[in-house]
Amino acid sequence: EPEVTQTPSHQVTQMGQEVILRCVPISNHLYFYWYRQILGQKVEFLVSFYNNEISEKSEIFDDQFSVERPDGSNFTLKIRSTKLEDSAMYFCASTGQLYGYTFGSGTRLTVV
Amino acid sequence: GQQVMQIPQYQHVQEGEDFTTYCNSSTTLSNIQWYKQRPGGHPVFLIQLVKSGEVKKQKRLTFQFGEAKKNSSLHITATQTTDVGTYFCAGGSSGNTGKLIFGQGTTLQVKP
Repeated sequence: EPEVTQTPSHQVTQMGQEVILRCVPISNHLYFYWYRQILGQKVEFLVSFYNNEISEKSEIFDDQFSVERPDGSNFTLKIRSTKLEDSAMYFCASTGQLYGYTFGSGTRLTVV
Repeated sequence: GQQVMQIPQYQHVQEGEDFTTYCNSSTTLSNIQWYKQRPGGHPVFLIQLVKSGEVKKQKRLTFQFGEAKKNSSLHITATQTTDVGTYFCAGGSSGNTGKLIFGQGTTLQVKP
């Protein structure tokens, strides 16, 4: 079964530092997403990405966040200056047909 | 903004009992999807419902989409310990980005 791969599985960073979360979506998928889940809470939409550009973003996805697909396989989420409230599990997801996402196993980001 | 509410938040059942979780959207949905998240895991796609009044079954799981396409339910017959986890409904809007708005989830505990 194809998988979405995320690295690292856990990232600890100092407040104010930049972090890059990495994802390798399923190779023939066209739609890519980042979601986050604060511990014990619901999954929140951050951004969708299609055809090498952002197709939609949420209010959470402010100027501190950016996404890239630098080489046609990796899909990255960058947070420029992390805040304590950015601590969460970040999930990458992809789909080939606008439903039935495949989620990665997540990156747990801890900002201290 | 669009909101998806899910109840109950927690449900403890004895193995063999039935379980139902309910999902309500503040707006009409183009589709509704259900995901299961095991403790410490990532959401895993279960099913998508698209048509008004649609009912789909997967073994002991029955999914319904309301006539107004604003509510949905998941019913599990004769729960097993393997059913433990958090069940999320996620509403799709009419846009073509595939963005999902997740409910808060219902965490199911099954006592053997």
